[in-house]
Amino acid sequence: IQLTQSPSLLSASVGDRVTLSCKGSQNINNYLAWYQQKLGEAPKLLIYNTNSLQTGIPSRFSGSGSGTDYTLTISSLQPEDVATYFCYQYNNGWTFGGGTKLELK
Amino acid sequence: EVQLVESGGGLVQPGRSLKLSCAASGFTFSNYYMAWVRQAPKKGLEWVATISTSGSRTYYPDSVKGRFTISRDNAKSSLYLQMNSLKSEDTATYYCARLITMAYYFDYWGQGVMVTVSS
Repeated sequence: IQLTQSPSLLSASVGDRVTLSCKGSQNINNYLAWYQQKLGEAPKLLIYNTNSLQTGIPSRFSGSGSGTDYTLTISSLQPEDVATYFCYQYNNGWTFGGGTKLELK
Repeated sequence: EVQLVESGGGLVQPGRSLKLSCAASGFTFSNYYMAWVRQAPKKGLEWVATISTSGSRTYYPDSVKGRFTISRDNAKSSLYLQMNSLKSEDTATYYCARLITMAYYFDYWGQGVMVTVSS
């Protein structure tokens, strides 16, 4: 299964509601996770099973979707959210999307 | 606290071999599937290998199958990646990661180790 993330680059302001998209080439059956990677750091798990928030992750992060289309939403962007976000499917094999780089406007 | 610490990276010539290690602590290592994931410079993430709790089952993508071997020593809480016949396209930061049992997403990652394949 191939994953396509859009946009590849997103500029937004502090406080904005931000939506990142991830589309699979086949049905993912909700076996989708989202990772945040800050510059020079290892990826961090944010969301698993489409919409389950990992322990310790702020509630401004949420996930949704079904079938082939999934979304990560940040309800109110904070400066510390600047990072690259990757989606990842584990329904059929293990593959990552190409990433969305989120920057401050 | 879960900790994963990789080691063994460095500069290696094309066609040569290198073995990475990952020391795990803070959890019962033998209860978890483990994996290696890599990231080429300024690129995305690529899953490289997965190993079952006992080590009896291993999984690889076509890009490394036959060249890379994942293994583990549960008594030492350690994970390994033997990389043979290295190519320039294997240049990347290699991360050790823990998999949630029966769910197969990664919940903890190490800080990564850099492997550069160049003559």
